Amino acid sequence: DAKTTQPPSMDCAEGRAANLPCNHSTISGNEYVYWYRQIHSQGPQYIIHGLKNNETNEMASLIITEDRKSSTLILPHATLRDTAVYYCIVRVFTSNYQLIWGAGTKLIIKP
Amino acid sequence: GAVVSQHPSWVICKSGTSVKIECRSLDFQATTMFWYRQFPKQSLMLMATSNEGSKATYEQGVEKDKFLINHASLTLSTLTVTSAHPEDSSFYICSFTGGLEQYFGPGTRLTVT
Repeated sequence: DAKTTQPPSMDCAEGRAANLPCNHSTISGNEYVYWYRQIHSQGPQYIIHGLKNNETNEMASLIITEDRKSSTLILPHATLRDTAVYYCIVRVFTSNYQLIWGAGTKLIIKP
Repeated sequence: GAVVSQHPSWVICKSGTSVKIECRSLDFQATTMFWYRQFPKQSLMLMATSNEGSKATYEQGVEKDKFLINHASLTLSTLTVTSAHPEDSSFYICSFTGGLEQYFGPGTRLTVT
């Protein structure tokens, strides 16, 4: 079972910041939080990951709460091309570092 | 990030035939590769994990004799759907791990008629 919960859908106006929440209350101390997105009929695209510090890259920022039980992905200036399903995933430390996929959040960017 | 290719990108086959899907890592040597399938409006479901040179490990409920996985080299893994049936119609995605990141192929849309 997925270790994360996300809202099923969200809307955001083009040009605005999109803030996507994720709960992972059972996360273990050495498990990372990953974010991927999947545009319709394409393979997932890596966005960002973090352990406990906030992270930023050219695509997005990841804010992880101090207790690590939740996180927020921020797309600073959403465009129509950011419309996709966004998956928040906890990387389980099995022998093969398996990703456990939840249902994700369908983000719709509106003009 | 690393580049992963899949071939074919889509395929239509008749019920009872077999289909082979290739997954290549173009700029990375992958010791471990993953195969997922995704039904419409659902999330990715892990089918199996394969390590180069050894037998694949299948998830519960995935028939190993139906979904044959070969990870013959560090850059190539194949998934063969044997005796395909309409219920095997799905989006198949390969992936491999490179350190802390996991890279995904573009997917193969299989339709069995």
